[in-house]
Amino acid sequence: NAGVMQNPRHLVRRRGQEARLRCSPMKGHSHVYWYRQLPEEGLKFMVYLQKENIIDESGMPKERFSAEFPKEGPSILRIQQVVRGDSAAYFCASSPTGVDYNEQFFGPGTRLTVL
Amino acid sequence: RKEVEQDPGPFNVPEGATVAFNCTYSNSASQSFFWYRQDCRKEPKLLMSVYSSGNEDGRFTAQLNRASQYISLLIRDSKLSDSATYLCVVKGTNNFNKFYFGSGTKLNVKP
Repeated sequence: NAGVMQNPRHLVRRRGQEARLRCSPMKGHSHVYWYRQLPEEGLKFMVYLQKENIIDESGMPKERFSAEFPKEGPSILRIQQVVRGDSAAYFCASSPTGVDYNEQFFGPGTRLTVL
Repeated sequence: RKEVEQDPGPFNVPEGATVAFNCTYSNSASQSFFWYRQDCRKEPKLLMSVYSSGNEDGRFTAQLNRASQYISLLIRDSKLSDSATYLCVVKGTNNFNKFYFGSGTKLNVKP
C-alpha cells in the first residue's frame, strides 16, 4: 500500500508564475489536508477537502490560492502569481473516514522556491 | 486563542536525561489526541496516540488530563536520535474530521 504521494518534490518558480502541487492520498483515504510550513516555523493548516468538496478552507489566503480534490485524480493546490513569501514546504496529509483515533499520514512534501 | 498551544523550546538536554513536554488544547469536547515527530526538512510522522488512561511505548509515555485540557509526553533516557520537533495534535469533535496541530516543541539531545 503506497503512502501519500506528492509531486513535484521540489518546485522552483519565478515571481508571477503559477505553482501546481499534487497530492495522491493513501488508497482508501477520502480526506485530504494541505499544510504550509515556512522555514523554522510550525505547520499551518490551509485547507481540508473530501472528494469533490472543500470542507474547511479557513487557513487559505483569500487571494491567489485554491485547492481541489476531484472525483478522479489527485488533489491539487494551486498558487497563482507566486511571490517570494510563498516559498515554503507544502505538506499534504490524508486520513480515512469515521473511526476514532485516526491518524493523518503525511506525504514527503513539496518544497516551493520562488525566485 | 489557538486550538493547540505548545512551548516552542528548544529543550536542550544531555543524553540519558528525562524530558517532558506539555500541550494545552482549547476545545474541551475534543476526543482524539496524538504526538507526532518531525525531523528537520521531513514530513511529520505519528509517534503515538494518546489514550484517556495514558499509554507507554518503550521510553515514551503519553498522558491526557481532560480536566485541565492538557496532554504530556515524557521521554526517558534521551538518545541523540530523539532530537526533533514534537507536534501535539488534537482531532476535531464534529464529523468533519479536522486535525489541529500545535506549532511544535524542539528537542536537542546533546552528547
